[in-house]
Amino acid sequence: GENVEQHPSTLSVQEGDSAVIKCTYSDSASNYFPWYKQELGKGPQLIIDIRSNVGEKKDQRIAVTLNKTAKHFSLHITETQPEDSAVYFCAASKGGNYQLIWGAGTKLIIKP
Amino acid sequence: SAVISQKPSRDICQRGTSLTIQCQVDSQVTMMFWYRQQPGQSLTLIATANQGSEATYESGFVIDKFPISRPNLTFSTLTVSNMSPEDSSIYLCSVLSPGAYEQYFGPGTRLTVT
Repeated sequence: GENVEQHPSTLSVQEGDSAVIKCTYSDSASNYFPWYKQELGKGPQLIIDIRSNVGEKKDQRIAVTLNKTAKHFSLHITETQPEDSAVYFCAASKGGNYQLIWGAGTKLIIKP
Repeated sequence: SAVISQKPSRDICQRGTSLTIQCQVDSQVTMMFWYRQQPGQSLTLIATANQGSEATYESGFVIDKFPISRPNLTFSTLTVSNMSPEDSSIYLCSVLSPGAYEQYFGPGTRLTVT
């Protein structure tokens, strides 16, 4: 079945630096790739997503890139701030009514 | 995006009892989902709840243990039955944005079984 691998499991960066989290997926039919941010004690929050018909999408300090040939996608956070500290999850699906297949999560720590 | 609320936000229950978790959405949605998230882990889909039909359960989850109701397009409940300490977890509901791919999550219910 579909599998999504996420790396690293923990990422510690200096405030102001960039952070990159990578995911690979196994099902070439996957066409929707969201990223969620989960703060302690809260539900996952959708922060950005990308569909397979585009290679990159950006929203202020956050960007996602997709390489369909290699079947991997990445989350890029620039100019990191303390409030970026959280657990980030990637996911993949075939869209619509198909379920999301989740990565294991990355704990992002922003050092002051 | 949809605004989703869950009740209760947390509870401590004794083994052998049952807890019903409510999920309310501020707009009508066709598909709702129930997830379990064990401490420090990723999300695991329990079941998909469509209004007007029986819930569809994922492998490892059964209706007798996790009965689900979906009486209308804005509300669903998940019951955790005959609880054991292994059921201690965060339970999350989510909704699929109508006509789109996005899923939005509620704040979760933190369940501790003693």
